[in-house]
Amino acid sequence: AQRVTQPEKLLSVFKGAPVELKCNYSYSGSPELFWYVQYSRQRLQLLLRHISRESIKGFTADLNKGETSFHLKKPFAQEEDSAMYYCALSPSYNTDKLIFGTGTRLQVFP
Amino acid sequence: GAVVSQHPSWVICKSGTSVKIECRSLDFQATTMFWYRQFPKQSLMLMATSNEGSKATYEQGVEKDKFLINHASLTLSTLTVTSAHPEDSSFYICSARYLQNYGYTFGSGTRLTVV
Repeated sequence: AQRVTQPEKLLSVFKGAPVELKCNYSYSGSPELFWYVQYSRQRLQLLLRHISRESIKGFTADLNKGETSFHLKKPFAQEEDSAMYYCALSPSYNTDKLIFGTGTRLQVFP
Repeated sequence: GAVVSQHPSWVICKSGTSVKIECRSLDFQATTMFWYRQFPKQSLMLMATSNEGSKATYEQGVEKDKFLINHASLTLSTLTVTSAHPEDSSFYICSARYLQNYGYTFGSGTRLTVV
């Protein structure tokens, strides 16, 4: 079965520190992977998608098929990065379906 | 662009009554919309995929007679929680795939409380 695991419920760092939010997935095929972010009192929104290989708001994520991971990284955290982050997988057989991880709350202290 | 409007944002209802939640795509046509449920401090769980002009596809364990989905137009999908019970209290979120950025756009969610 497909599964997305985010082992950390809460990650707290100080401003300027590097950040890595972990995401591991379980899927036998070639999935499409996403990171979504939800700022306080706002709706869920797409942060980045692995296929586009882009950097959004300083965040990057590399798909490691050997380790089945898609960790989200940022070299210098900002206070405005504080939010809930969800890793999600879309199975290749059904590109309309999204399977979410349990989310990691990132707190960036001044 | 790619905005999904969800209404109402919150609703309180009595046990045994039915509640309808609307999800509209404002600036694009969505042949497929998705309904999720989120319990406190837990992840989003896909309940069903709503297909315009055809029957919805429900995930395993989701009662189709309890959670009625109608997708009558390319911009509107509705979720009706029938004969609601307190255990149906949750946060319901709809989404649609916006093809141009290959991502999903989400509604702001509906907090349902059944008393």
